Amino acid sequence: GAVVSQHPSWVICKSGTSVKIECRSLDFQATTMFWYRQFPKQSLMLMATSNEGSKATYEQGVEKDKFLINHASLTLSTLTVTSAHPEDSSFYICSAPGTGGEKLFFGSGTQLSVL
Amino acid sequence: GQQLNQSPQSMFIQEGEDVSMNCTSSSIFNTWLWYKQDPGEGPVLLIALYKAGELTSNGRLTAQFGITRKDSFLNISASIPSDVGIYFCAGRARGGATNKLIFGTGTLLAVQP
Repeated sequence: GAVVSQHPSWVICKSGTSVKIECRSLDFQATTMFWYRQFPKQSLMLMATSNEGSKATYEQGVEKDKFLINHASLTLSTLTVTSAHPEDSSFYICSAPGTGGEKLFFGSGTQLSVL
Repeated sequence: GQQLNQSPQSMFIQEGEDVSMNCTSSSIFNTWLWYKQDPGEGPVLLIALYKAGELTSNGRLTAQFGITRKDSFLNISASIPSDVGIYFCAGRARGGATNKLIFGTGTLLAVQP
């Protein structure tokens, strides 16, 4: 299957700082990537769809100014949590569709803890 | 966002037992995917299903695309301790945006050696 690399695996930051999370497709190109958020013992909730070369599409209720997404190349999408607060603490996971677009492959996730 | 109904919510079994879990939707799906997630990791794809009635195996795992296209089942035979984790179904509704999956609520599986 396709490999999606996500970095960092975990990050601890102070309230008010910004945190950038990277998602890379290692052996394939991805014009679209997806960013999910997952709270403990809950399912994955889609936050936004990252589109290479154009603006991201955000799900209802997700603040685009809070969660900045950049998809500057066919293999890299970044999610920046701006002015992070404790309520932003969560597990963030990116994904990308493999060849053919039917299967979705996930990164290993980033655990964000905001103090 | 929309979620699929997945059951059971959790299972605690003995090593060697068989496991069954399922997902149901109120709408027709064109694709069903089953994932396993270990703690602190991203979901890993186990099985993908594309046709109603399709039955697909991956080692001790077998999944089926329901005939009504509104449900899917995952069976694990002869469970082992490393089967522990959270299992998610995911589906793509007919007419849904390409690659936009809806996820189930998850089934937590615990296997006692």
